[in-house]
Amino acid sequence: EDKVVQSPLSLVVHEGDTVTLNCSYEVTNFRSLLWYKQEKKAPTFLFMLTSSGIEKKSGRLSSILDKKELFSILNITATQTGDSAIYLCANRGNTGFQKLVFGTGTRLLVSP
Amino acid sequence: DAGVIQSPRHEVTEMGQEVTLRCKPISGHNSLFWYRQTMMRGLELLIYFNNNVPIDDSGMPEDRFSAKMPNASFSTLKIQPSEPRDSAVYFCASSFGAGSTEAFFGQGTRLTVV
Repeated sequence: EDKVVQSPLSLVVHEGDTVTLNCSYEVTNFRSLLWYKQEKKAPTFLFMLTSSGIEKKSGRLSSILDKKELFSILNITATQTGDSAIYLCANRGNTGFQKLVFGTGTRLLVSP
Repeated sequence: DAGVIQSPRHEVTEMGQEVTLRCKPISGHNSLFWYRQTMMRGLELLIYFNNNVPIDDSGMPEDRFSAKMPNASFSTLKIQPSEPRDSAVYFCASSFGAGSTEAFFGQGTRLTVV
């Protein structure tokens, strides 16, 4: 059964800190790994990773995938209070029908 | 595009009542997912459809849960009878393609069963 494990479960940092969120996965036939940010409502898409070692970057956020070790990290530099959210990692694999399996998420709180 | 539309946004019902949640996916998307989110279990996939056909319903917790997708623009998730432990936020998401695109989420329905 496909599985996604995220760590830490929660994290509190000060504004300006850099954080690294972890996602490890088990999947039968890997297709892609996705990161989402969830504030008060619906998860919103951040990154999709399909190849090892290629960093995806958007502003202060970046992410990279290691398909050999079956994990991904999400980095946030110079954190701001607006980065406070739940960060979700999802894995797509096993079938061609886009089934996404999510981890339980990392709850990040950035204090001023 | 208005995105994925869910209704109602909030639902409070008494134990034993039937609850129906509705979802309109993004036009043109051919995959639709129902998820349930709780603090304890995170975001769980309940069922997903491809081209209106249920592909995997292994996440549906019990026979009390059922989902339909009568056409490409509408899906329902029904709980009958509802129980307090069904209280959660239910999300619908849709996507397009053969495994290389992201899923877009609706705003969710917050269900409270008292």
